[in-house]
Amino acid sequence: EVQLVESGGGLVQPGGSLRLSCAASGFTFSDHYMEWVRQAPGKGLEWVGRSKNKAQRYATEYAASVKGRFAISRDDSKKTLSLQMNGLKSEDTAVYYCARTRGSYYGFDIWGRGTLVTVSS
Amino acid sequence: DIQLTQSPSLVSASVGDRVTITCRAGQDIYTYLAWYQQKPGEAPNLLIYAASTLQSGVPSRFSGSGSGTEFTLTITSLQPEDFAAYYCQQLNTYPLTFGGGTKVEIK
Repeated sequence: EVQLVESGGGLVQPGGSLRLSCAASGFTFSDHYMEWVRQAPGKGLEWVGRSKNKAQRYATEYAASVKGRFAISRDDSKKTLSLQMNGLKSEDTAVYYCARTRGSYYGFDIWGRGTLVTVSS
Repeated sequence: DIQLTQSPSLVSASVGDRVTITCRAGQDIYTYLAWYQQKPGEAPNLLIYAASTLQSGVPSRFSGSGSGTEFTLTITSLQPEDFAAYYCQQLNTYPLTFGGGTKVEIK
C-alpha cells in the first residue's frame, strides 16, 4: 500500500525548534518530488516547501514565510522526508502534511494524515 | 506570488445538482493547475491535475477545464460524499499557491 506517515508534531514554545518526519512506503521514494503543506486551524492550505528527487539533485524550494527558518531534507535509503523547523512563531501553528508528486505538472497525489504543530507559551 | 481567487467561497447545493467552482489566477499559469477535495479531519485528495486530467480512481462526475488564468471544476450530479471543501493549486511558479477554498454544503 502506498502510504505516507508523518510524526514529530507537538507543543513548542515560540522561538523553539521541532523536527518533523515523513515515512514513505509502497512506492519508489527516490523517484518522486516530496512536499510539505500546512493548514492552520480552520484555514486553507499553504505550501511550505519541496524536495526534488535525485535526478534533480535533491534541490529544495521554500515558501517565503519559512525560508531561512525551515529546512527540508530526505534520506532515500530510509524512505524518509524531514522538515527541520527553527525559530518557530505562533503563526506556524498548523497541521503539517507531507505529500508526493511526480513533478510540477501532476499535482500532489498521495498525502499523509498530517501532524499537528502548536507554537505557544 | 501568483494569487488564486476561487469563487464562490460557499456553495449551498442539493444532491443531484450540478456545481461549478471557478479559480482565477493572477497571471498565466498555462495548464499547471490542480484541484483537491478535502473533508473535515482528512488530508486533501487530488481530483484533477494539468487543469483537466482526472486523477485515477476519481469519479467521472468530476471534471476540470480552462487554461491561462481561468479554470473551472464541475461536479455533475452532486453526491452525498461530495459535500466538502475544494481547493485549486497552481504548480507553474514558485511559491506554489492554493486558492482560498470553496465549501460545498448541503442546501
